[in-house]
Amino acid sequence: GAGVSQTPSNKVTEKGKYVELRCDPISGHTALYWYRQSLGQGPEFLIYFQGTGAADDSGLPNDRFFAVRPEGSVSTLKIQRTERGDSAVYLCASHPSGGGNEQFFGPGTRLTVL
Amino acid sequence: DQQVKQNSPSLSVQEGRISILNCDYTNSMFDYFLWYKKYPAEGPTFLISISSIKDKNEDGRFTVFLNKSAKHLSLHIVPSQPGDSAVYFCAAWETSGSRLTFGEGTQLTVNP
Repeated sequence: GAGVSQTPSNKVTEKGKYVELRCDPISGHTALYWYRQSLGQGPEFLIYFQGTGAADDSGLPNDRFFAVRPEGSVSTLKIQRTERGDSAVYLCASHPSGGGNEQFFGPGTRLTVL
Repeated sequence: DQQVKQNSPSLSVQEGRISILNCDYTNSMFDYFLWYKKYPAEGPTFLISISSIKDKNEDGRFTVFLNKSAKHLSLHIVPSQPGDSAVYFCAAWETSGSRLTFGEGTQLTVNP
């Protein structure tokens, strides 16, 4: 079956602009995670959805970051007033039930803020 | 604070030899550990895992060892193959939590 997909694969934007990053999890997976990977670092947790609700958003760095999952499948990560420090690869992962340990990752969206 | 650390940013080995990748952690509440492999422009792919109640788990050429008292785990790949060249991430999971905590990664290069 299809894996986790993310669009776009690359996004270049200017400082101060708004961006949306999309994640399509594996069909039927109720748990969805967003991570951010900066150069030379491992992925860092941003937010976890169980179904439609954000069960843990404690990894979001500030209130410019927001994510939704209105129908419990596709999720969108939204970043307002982008800053150069937001440049990173944004990874999405899903899991069948939220036990969460063996998460299935998408290829990521590389965000570059000029 | 960095709860999961991989102190070697890179490792180079000859094809056919053993690759040993190391990982240390500080949070004693972690109860499940995983290794992920990542190729350029792809997401991390799950490789092997181990529960904190075990000290060894083997899957083909890959073996993970866990030393709870030392808060240390290692991944052994034998024999190493050129296709194993990738970045390897150690990750930890706390059952009461909701996230994987990753190390910084180790770039493994297996030379033919």
